[in-house]
Amino acid sequence: DQQVKQNSPSLSVQEGRISILNCDYTNSMFDYFLWYKKYPAEGPTFLISISSIKDKNEDGRFTVFLNKSAKHLSLHIVPSQPGDSAVYFCAASEWSTGANSKLTFGKGITLSVRP
Amino acid sequence: DAGVTQSPTHLIKTRGQHVTLRCSPISGHKSVSWYQQVLGQGPQFIFQYYEKEERGRGNFPDRFSARQFPNYSSELNVNALLLGDSALYLCASSRSGADTGELFFGEGSRLTVL
Repeated sequence: DQQVKQNSPSLSVQEGRISILNCDYTNSMFDYFLWYKKYPAEGPTFLISISSIKDKNEDGRFTVFLNKSAKHLSLHIVPSQPGDSAVYFCAASEWSTGANSKLTFGKGITLSVRP
Repeated sequence: DAGVTQSPTHLIKTRGQHVTLRCSPISGHKSVSWYQQVLGQGPQFIFQYYEKEERGRGNFPDRFSARQFPNYSSELNVNALLLGDSALYLCASSRSGADTGELFFGEGSRLTVL
């Protein structure tokens, strides 16, 4: 029972273009969403997050959009750089219940940025 | 500043054995969480500890246990190992149990059960 779904296992994008990574969730209690990036042989590193009271959050080249009615979020990377090549995990939590450290992760998307 | 450190980084065990994995959080962080990442899947929540008390437990059998020490470091113990326990075990820390959910992960301990 996957509560957080990343249906596309991989994405290949040309350097300088936009990368759009999608994520869907089924649990209506999720109210905080995060994106993590993972390089091989390293632990996941936090990238950007968004609360359910917002529909957009920007941090430099990274923007996360949240559509609560569709239970969908997306991560936009503009412009994409070769160093962005990594596995990206979407994660969610029931922050308002206090279960902040209990993140539910998707399976991840492998992003490849071609020079 | 040192990040989250985990030991050992790699280990091989046989079925039925016991394993202990260790984690030191970032200085000043009082909350430690453990996650299991099986190949091809995202990390799955096992435990959270804050101020030495268990604050959350995922859907794992009683063979899995953990504890947190006064210095906020933590151990994850797994008894009666099964082949399916082979995975990357990730430890994550945060300042408290009530912040925004940004966790800082270590590099993980890769366990292989033969």
